[in-house]
Amino acid sequence: ELKVEQNPLFLSMQEGKNYTIYCNYSTTSDRLYWYRQDPGKSLESLFVLLSNGAVKQEGRLMASLDTKARLSTLHITAAVHDLSATYFCAVDRAGSGGGADGLTFGKGTHLIIQP
Amino acid sequence: SAVISQKPSRDICQRGTSLTIQCQVDSQVTMMFWYRQQPGQSLTLIATANQGSEATYESGFVIDKFPISRPNLTFSTLTVSNMSPEDSSIYLCSVGQEGFFGPGTRLTVL
Repeated sequence: ELKVEQNPLFLSMQEGKNYTIYCNYSTTSDRLYWYRQDPGKSLESLFVLLSNGAVKQEGRLMASLDTKARLSTLHITAAVHDLSATYFCAVDRAGSGGGADGLTFGKGTHLIIQP
Repeated sequence: SAVISQKPSRDICQRGTSLTIQCQVDSQVTMMFWYRQQPGQSLTLIATANQGSEATYESGFVIDKFPISRPNLTFSTLTVSNMSPEDSSIYLCSVGQEGFFGPGTRLTVL
C-alpha cells in the first residue's frame, strides 16, 4: 500500500526566509503532484513531477523529485505573506503496482508566513 | 487543461437524507475520481469512475453509501446516501492524470 508522508505538518515562518517542505513516499510511482489549498477553497495544482531529477519552478516556489530516494521537496524562497496556505503532495498510484489509479495524499503542510 | 465544474457548490442537509453531487468536464476523459476531504484533513479517494464499467471503491467506502454513475465521458455523479453528521465534508472530483480538481461541494449534515 502506498504511503505518503509529508513534513512538517505545520510551519510558521517570517517573510523573507527560505524553507523546504518534504514529501516521502513508500513505493515506486510515475507522478508526484504538489497542490496549494486556501481556506474554504479547492486544490490549485502547482507542479506535476514526472521523472527522476525533475525540477520545476514558479515564482518563489521550486519543486524537485528524487525517485530513487522516493522524495520530493517544495522549496520556498524569500517567503511572502501571500504564500500562506496549506500545501499537499500527492502520489499517483498508477505506477506503484497493484493496478490501482488515483492519488494518495500527504497530510498537508499548514504554512503561515508572518510579516 | 480540463475545466471541471461541480454542483451544488455547497448544501446543508438533514440526517437520513441523500444528496447527489454532479461533476461536469469540458472534454472527454476516461477516468474520473471522487475524493472526500473531512474538516481539517487531507483528501481521501472514495472511488474511481470509468465510463462503461462499475466504479471501483476504496477500502472503507461502499456502493450502497456512495453510489456513483458515469453515463458518459464528460459527466459523473456521486450520491451520499442516508447521511449522518460524519459525512460533513468537501467532496471533490478529479479527472485523468493531469491532477486537476473541481471546485468541490461543501456538505454539512445536521
